[in-house]
Amino acid sequence: LAKTTQPISMDSYEGQEVNITCSHNNIATNDYITWYQQFPSQGPRFIIQGYKTKVTNEVASLFIPADRKSSTLSLPRVSLSDTAVYYCLVGAGDTGFQKLVFGTGTRLLVSP
Amino acid sequence: DTAVSQTPKYLVTQMGNDKSIKCEQNLGHDTMYWYKQDSKKFLKIMFSYNNKELIINETVPNRFSPKSPDKAHLNLHINSLELGDSAVYFCASSQPGLAIADTQYFGPGTRLTVL
Repeated sequence: LAKTTQPISMDSYEGQEVNITCSHNNIATNDYITWYQQFPSQGPRFIIQGYKTKVTNEVASLFIPADRKSSTLSLPRVSLSDTAVYYCLVGAGDTGFQKLVFGTGTRLLVSP
Repeated sequence: DTAVSQTPKYLVTQMGNDKSIKCEQNLGHDTMYWYKQDSKKFLKIMFSYNNKELIINETVPNRFSPKSPDKAHLNLHINSLELGDSAVYFCASSQPGLAIADTQYFGPGTRLTVL
């Protein structure tokens, strides 16, 4: 399973765009990139997933360069409620029984 | 309408006791998981069941025994509890084999405190 590296913490203010970058240098050809969000005292929640280029949903955007050795989660106009830990994971999408390996995550603190 | 539910939410017990945590999912998923999140917030998979069959068993002490009576339930029984078992335990479920990579849905967690 590919190992991921992301910043331990980030600070932002309400209304700003936040970009969290994750490195995954040994990503395999069939690996997908998935981001989860975890609020205090809650389980992780799926945010977004992609394989290459750009993916956007109602919550975030995910940018993946051509070499796929990194990815950037972009949160537009964050609010206080976006304060959480964000985990970047990579894993095979075709095995069916994916063993998610969570790293340390990035603790995002959004201030007024 | 909770997708993945766990009971109890909090569990405080003495060392040496035996306890169980229950998990139920109403998503119709075939695969369920147990994760442990320790005090340093590292989240690690413990077990995974697919259609009541064990498919992932990480290096977990034998004191931990998962049981899946049906594919909607995955319970975790812990014997002879130790201080180091104190953690938050999360149940999750997923439906493998879909077009996109496995997306897991997590329960709210059970905070276990061993005194």
